Amino acid sequence: AQSVTQLDSQVPVFEEAPVELRCNYSSSVSVYLFWYVQYPNQGLQLLLKYLSGSTLVKGINGFEAEFNKSQTSFHLRKPSVHISDTAEYFCAVSTASGGYNKLIFGAGTRLAVHP
Amino acid sequence: GAVVSQHPSWVICKSGTSVKIECRSLDFQATTMFWYRQFPKQSLMLMATSNEGSKATYEQGVEKDKFLINHASLTLSTLTVTSAHPEDSSFYICSARDQVTPNTGELFFGEGSRLTVL
Repeated sequence: AQSVTQLDSQVPVFEEAPVELRCNYSSSVSVYLFWYVQYPNQGLQLLLKYLSGSTLVKGINGFEAEFNKSQTSFHLRKPSVHISDTAEYFCAVSTASGGYNKLIFGAGTRLAVHP
Repeated sequence: GAVVSQHPSWVICKSGTSVKIECRSLDFQATTMFWYRQFPKQSLMLMATSNEGSKATYEQGVEKDKFLINHASLTLSTLTVTSAHPEDSSFYICSARDQVTPNTGELFFGEGSRLTVL
């Protein structure tokens, strides 16, 4: 069975600093990987996704992530954060076998950007 | 495109009453919708998978008689919390898969519905 581990529950960072939110997954088969962002009292918005092809994926709001198959990681990065990036970020995986019926979410990482 | 709308956004009810939450795909058809529950500062917990025209598939530990799911059309799924109690207070989020796009597991999420049971 697949699982997702987000190594940091909270990441505090100053405005305009770079940030990396870590995500590791476990799966014995091919996977599709996603990062979602959730603002308070809202649903989830897709930041970016890895389906196939280039391992470096660029998303909205200046975020990017790199799929590393050997390390089973899909870390999210942004070179310079803004106050408005303060939110909860979820990494998710769906498997490419047995149907794609479920997205499995990590526990989430709260990014807090300080002035 | 790919907009999912939930209603109501907020609902407060008395203990023992039932509450219905609607999830609509506004610009696409969704043969499959998913209902999640989220506790404060926690991740999303999948409750059930809703398939149009058939019975929902519930995750282990989720009471199907407590959380009734109906997916009567390709654009509407409803979650009814029956005989609600304070412990049912939570943030409920629906999501949908576009039946046209490749089956990658990508989901489109509603805005969520916060239920408070007094």
